[in-house]
This record gives sequence, structure tokens and C-alpha cells, in this order.
Amino acid sequence: ELKVEQNPLFLSMQEGKNYTIYCNYSTTSDRLYWYRQDPGKSLESLFVLLSNGAVKQEGRLMASLDTKARLSTLHITAAVHDLSATYFCAVEESNFGNEKLTFGTGTRLTIIP
Amino acid sequence: GAVVSQHPSRVICKSGTSVKIECRSLDFQATTMFWYRQFPKKSLMLMATSNEGSKATYEQGVEKDKFLINHASLTLSTLTVTSAHPEDSSFYICSAGDPGTSSYEQYFGPGTRLTVT
Repeated sequence: ELKVEQNPLFLSMQEGKNYTIYCNYSTTSDRLYWYRQDPGKSLESLFVLLSNGAVKQEGRLMASLDTKARLSTLHITAAVHDLSATYFCAVEESNFGNEKLTFGTGTRLTIIP
Repeated sequence: GAVVSQHPSRVICKSGTSVKIECRSLDFQATTMFWYRQFPKKSLMLMATSNEGSKATYEQGVEKDKFLINHASLTLSTLTVTSAHPEDSSFYICSAGDPGTSSYEQYFGPGTRLTVT
């Protein structure tokens, strides 16, 4: 059974600081996704990582994937209040796409002014 | 990106009644859709995989007779919660993969918040 773990579960940080959220998973997979969820809302896709060594950046967020270590990171640079949300990673068990996702526990990020 | 819609966005029903939730892919055809549920402050848990033209595949522990899934066309899957009870109150989210994209990325609907009184 595929297990996906995120840490930390909760993160409170000041504006302007940098931090990293970690996502570990238990089986081989080359497909990992990062999502953002605001309270009461559905998921917003942030990044799709499809190969070992993949790195993607969008604004203050950067995601990477190390399939050998079974680890993905989401790095936040110079955080701003608008980034406050819950962040989920999700792993797809197959490498073909359009398969079910197993989600991590989520990281609730609060940016303090 | 592709668009997935859900209807209704919010529903309140009484115990013992049934509720149907629709999931539509608006600008692509989806042979497979996925249904997730999310309890407050928790992660998403996959309930079942909906396959167009065939039976849904349910995850372990999900009652198939309680959560009826019908994938009648390439753009519509429905989830019916039968004989709903307060413990079925949750946020239900569907997703579908767009075969027209190189990454086959999944897109999520806006969710349906079910409250059973």
C-alpha cells in the first residue's frame, strides 16, 4: 500500500522568510503533484513533476522531485501572506497518467505579517 | 487548463434520504473519473474510480451499495449517497484526467459540501 507523508503538518512563519515542506512516499513512482487548498475550496494545481530531478518554479514556490530518495520538496521563498493555505502532495502509483492519487497529510501554512 | 464542474456545490439533506452529486468534464472527454471525500481539516481519501461504461472500482472500506457511482457518458459521472446519515457529512470532490494533455494531468472539481441532518 502506497503511503505518502508530509512534514511539517503545521507551519507558521513570518513574511519574508524561507521554508521547505517535505513529501516522502513509500513506493516507486515518477509522478508527483502539489496542490494548494484554501479554506472551503477545492484543490488548485501547483506543480506536476514527472521525472527524477524535475524542478519547477512559479513565483515564490519551487518544487523538486527525487524519485530515488522518494522525496519531493516544496520550497517557499520570501513568504507573503497570500501564500497562507493548506498544501498537499499527491503521488500517482503508475507512470502512465490518469491513475488514482494518494494524498499526503497536508501542511497547513500560516504566514504571519 | 481543463475544467471539471460539480453540482450541487452545497446540499443539506435529512437522514435516510438519498443525494446525487454530478461531476462533469466540460471541455474534454474522461473515460475515468475519481471520487474523493475530505473530512474537516483532513486530507483527501479516494473513494472509488469511476469507469465509463463499466462498474466503478471501490477502495477498501467504501460501501459500494451506499455510494452508488454511475459513469453514463464520457463527460458525466454521478455519485449517489443512499440512505444518508450524519456521518456521511463531508466534502466530496471529483477529478478527471485530460487525455489531450501530454502529462495526463488530473483536474479537480470545485467540490460538493454535503450536510446530513
